[in-house]
Amino acid sequence: AQSVTQLGSHVSVSEGALVLLRCNYSSSVPPYLFWYVQYPNQGLQLLLKYTTGATLVKGINGFEAEFKKSETSFHLTKPSAHMSDAAEYFCAVSGASGTYKYIFGTGTRLKVLA
Amino acid sequence: DSGVTQTPKHLITATGQRVTLRCSPRSGDLSVYWYQQSLDQGLQFLIQYYNGEERAKGNILERFSAQQFPDLHSELNLSSLELGDSALYFCASSVAAGGHEQFFGPGTRLTVL
Repeated sequence: AQSVTQLGSHVSVSEGALVLLRCNYSSSVPPYLFWYVQYPNQGLQLLLKYTTGATLVKGINGFEAEFKKSETSFHLTKPSAHMSDAAEYFCAVSGASGTYKYIFGTGTRLKVLA
Repeated sequence: DSGVTQTPKHLITATGQRVTLRCSPRSGDLSVYWYQQSLDQGLQFLIQYYNGEERAKGNILERFSAQQFPDLHSELNLSSLELGDSALYFCASSVAAGGHEQFFGPGTRLTVL
C-alpha cells in the first residue's frame, strides 16, 4: 500500500529564511509525487509534480522539490520565505495502484514570521 | 481558478437528512475524484469516476454514493447524515484516468447539526 508521511504538522520560519517541508513516501512501484498548497477557505492548488525524468522539480512561487528514491523523500524547499507563503501544504503520492487516486499526507501548516 | 466548479459552497443540514453535492470538471477532463477533508481524518479519497464509469473506491461509506453523468458532471450523494459527516468535500478532475495532476474545486463545506 502507498503512504505519505509529512514530518512536522506546524513549521515556522522567519521572512526571508529557507523553507523546508518534509515528505517521505512509501510505494512498491515508481510513484508520482505532488505538492499542493491550500490557503484558508480555498481549494488545493498544485505547486509542483514529479512523474518521470529530472529529479529536481521546479514549481510555482519559487518552490522546488527533489525526488530522492534512495531516501524515499520528496521534500519541498524555497530559498526565501515570503509572508504570502503562509498556508497549509500537502504532499501526495499516486501511481502504484493503477487508479492514480491520491494518497495525501496529513499536511504541514507553514507560518511566516515578520 | 482551477476551472472545476462545485455547488453549493456551504450546506447546513440536520442529522438523518440527505444532500447532493455537485461538481463540474474542467473542460475536457474525463476523470472526477471526490475527497473528504476533516480535522480528524485529514484528506481522504472517496471515489473516482472516469468517463461515466466508477474507476476506484476509497474510504467511502455505504451511506454515500456518487455518479458521473454523460455531460461529465458528477454528484456525490450523502444520506442518513451523522454529525461526523461534517467536513469539506472536494471534487477534483484530471484529463485522463491517472498519472496526471488533479485540479481541485473550491469545495463544499457540509455542516450537520
